[in-house]
Amino acid sequence: DQQVKQNSPSLSVQEGRISILNCDYTNSMFDYFLWYKKYPAEGPTFLISISSIKDKNEDGRFTVFLNKSAKHLSLHIVPSQPGDSAVYFCAASPVKTSYDKVIFGPGTSLSVIP
Amino acid sequence: DGGITQSPKYLFRKEGQNVTLSCEQNLNHDAMYWYRQDPGQGLRLIYYSQIVNDFQKGDIAEGYSVSREKKESFPLTVTSAQKNPTAFYLCASSPTEGSLNYNEQFFGPGTRLTVL
Repeated sequence: DQQVKQNSPSLSVQEGRISILNCDYTNSMFDYFLWYKKYPAEGPTFLISISSIKDKNEDGRFTVFLNKSAKHLSLHIVPSQPGDSAVYFCAASPVKTSYDKVIFGPGTSLSVIP
Repeated sequence: DGGITQSPKYLFRKEGQNVTLSCEQNLNHDAMYWYRQDPGQGLRLIYYSQIVNDFQKGDIAEGYSVSREKKESFPLTVTSAQKNPTAFYLCASSPTEGSLNYNEQFFGPGTRLTVL
């Protein structure tokens, strides 16, 4: 049973518009939430994180929102650019002490159309 | 250039054969990890090592073995005991000292293993 779910396998967005990628989780013990980005033929790279004590974290064009009561988080990309086209993995961890506790979702493939 | 290399990019194996996937890093990281990715699923941890000559099982270690004789190298052997070995395998490394900001774990480009 997947503890971290990304129910949209793919998403297409026009350049300049907002991209919203969604993620749901089932384990209430998760305390840290992460987004990774993966280009073809490359490994995933860390994008942005949020702690459970916050409901929003912003880094440039990327903002992550956390709704703990709904066990839901989302990644907003504004404005979307063609270079944002990639697979985005949502991940969660119960602790901020080691990478081996991180649970990954299946990913959402984002296509930004010029 | 510092980074992680995995070889080969594509690997084919006959059923019943063992195969070893290579992972090398020159980032001077203490910790290394092996993940497996299947279609529609997230990355799942197979094995990890926090220090040379020591490693721990992850969530799906059955049918796999690893060694960590050198800091730079963490090869993964997919044995014939692994029932569904066809998958995409990712190696990663990270430092173990300092605060965990999640931006210090680096992944290799992956090896796609296909069992024929």
